[in-house]
Amino acid sequence: QLQLQESGPGLVKPSETLSLTCTVSGGSISSSNFHWGWIRQPPGKGLEWIGSIYYSGSTYYNPSLKSRVTISVDTSKNQFSLKLSSVTAADTAVYYCARHRAHCSAGSCYWFDPWGQGTLVTVSS
Amino acid sequence: QSALTQPRSVSGSPGQSVTISCTGTSSDVGAYNHASWYQQHPGKAPKLIIYDVIKRPSGVPDRFSGSKSGNTASLTISGLQAEDEADYYCSSYAGSYTWMFGGGTKLTVL
Repeated sequence: QLQLQESGPGLVKPSETLSLTCTVSGGSISSSNFHWGWIRQPPGKGLEWIGSIYYSGSTYYNPSLKSRVTISVDTSKNQFSLKLSSVTAADTAVYYCARHRAHCSAGSCYWFDPWGQGTLVTVSS
Repeated sequence: QSALTQPRSVSGSPGQSVTISCTGTSSDVGAYNHASWYQQHPGKAPKLIIYDVIKRPSGVPDRFSGSKSGNTASLTISGLQAEDEADYYCSSYAGSYTWMFGGGTKLTVL
């Protein structure tokens, strides 16, 4: 059973860089037909897609965050990571990682499943 | 790129049916037959319950069904049960390799 687990600091200072890692277990991050994505949810608010990566390193980013986001992959560790620079209080959120069907295969696409449990990152001095 | 529009809240009594709408544009929901829906209980991660507008993942009860008309996707939950009380989010491809979510709908089972 595929599982994803986020890890990283729960507190980041304003103007610094938020760094999180997602570890994939029960399956290979090098699976064809799947990307790996980051989604966030500010407290009490809705979901926002941040970006997604393929095992080859090919990335897609939310245009509203693109200038501050870097997503990378380490296939040897079955992990992918998120870096968000110049953070402010507005970046305080629960950050989720998820498997992402970003390209169509057998007529199915554009969904996120499964999701990690999420990790709360607070931006505060 | 604004969020897809969902009602903030809906409610229904056990056994009844409710429908949650998700309105986008001809560039996102209307352009692709791949809208998806997620159920999120408090303090939990979202769970995929509908994909490709009408398909259900294994293990999701057939009380959950999806549809689409024009720029609006809909999630219908029939035979409401107490455990269906949760937040529901829709999602759609928005073109140019970007994805968006709806603002979320809180379902209350009365």
